[in-house]
Amino acid sequence: QSVLTQPPSASGTPGQRVTISCSGNTSNIGIHLVNWYQQLPGKAPKLLLYRDDQRPSGVPARFSGSKSGNTASLSISGLQSEDEGHYHCAAWDDSLNVSAVFGGGTLLTVL
Amino acid sequence: VLLQESGPGVVRPSGTLSLTCDVSGGSLTTADWWSWIRQPPGKGLEWIGEISNSGTTHYHPSFKSRVAISIDMSKNQFSLKVTSVTAADTAIYYCAKGGLADSWGQGTLVSVSS
Repeated sequence: QSVLTQPPSASGTPGQRVTISCSGNTSNIGIHLVNWYQQLPGKAPKLLLYRDDQRPSGVPARFSGSKSGNTASLSISGLQSEDEGHYHCAAWDDSLNVSAVFGGGTLLTVL
Repeated sequence: VLLQESGPGVVRPSGTLSLTCDVSGGSLTTADWWSWIRQPPGKGLEWIGEISNSGTTHYHPSFKSRVAISIDMSKNQFSLKVTSVTAADTAIYYCAKGGLADSWGQGTLVSVSS
């Protein structure tokens, strides 16, 4: 059971906007920045967003992040078939000394 | 910077899992921290721990008594050891740059089986 809670699945049709949530508490998301990772089928995870809403070079602007209180969100606009895969959130957690925690991951299906 | 994990693909129960991460295209000094993360089959990611360039380590409490991460600056690599493994340690193991994983290796599957 993961410390950060994500919905196990999400879906949308091409062109739609999809939002994936990541819920934590005051020991992690409430006080620390969040990273998001994209994991395409059979591949290693790749950094998608860092520091809640910052995109690494090469990540399209249709991927965006936000945070409110203990919940972070990843939004994907203009959904494309190649976006299908798993999305994971992560943050540091002060209740575990110096340790990081991940969400359980969300499988995004493009219908 | 590219990261590549290496090590045995099968480990016997109660044995020790040993993996190495070779860093190429830059030195270990390009980041302050380096980490290990694993993913059991069909499950989510689990943060194992991290090591700094000076050798300071932090481990997730669920692994703390069984895990050791070391670093060799001269070889530009860092390593993971997990002792007393069981079937629950079967997973894809990833090494990564940064404590919260800025970039990842391709991962290596380690199966615990007799």
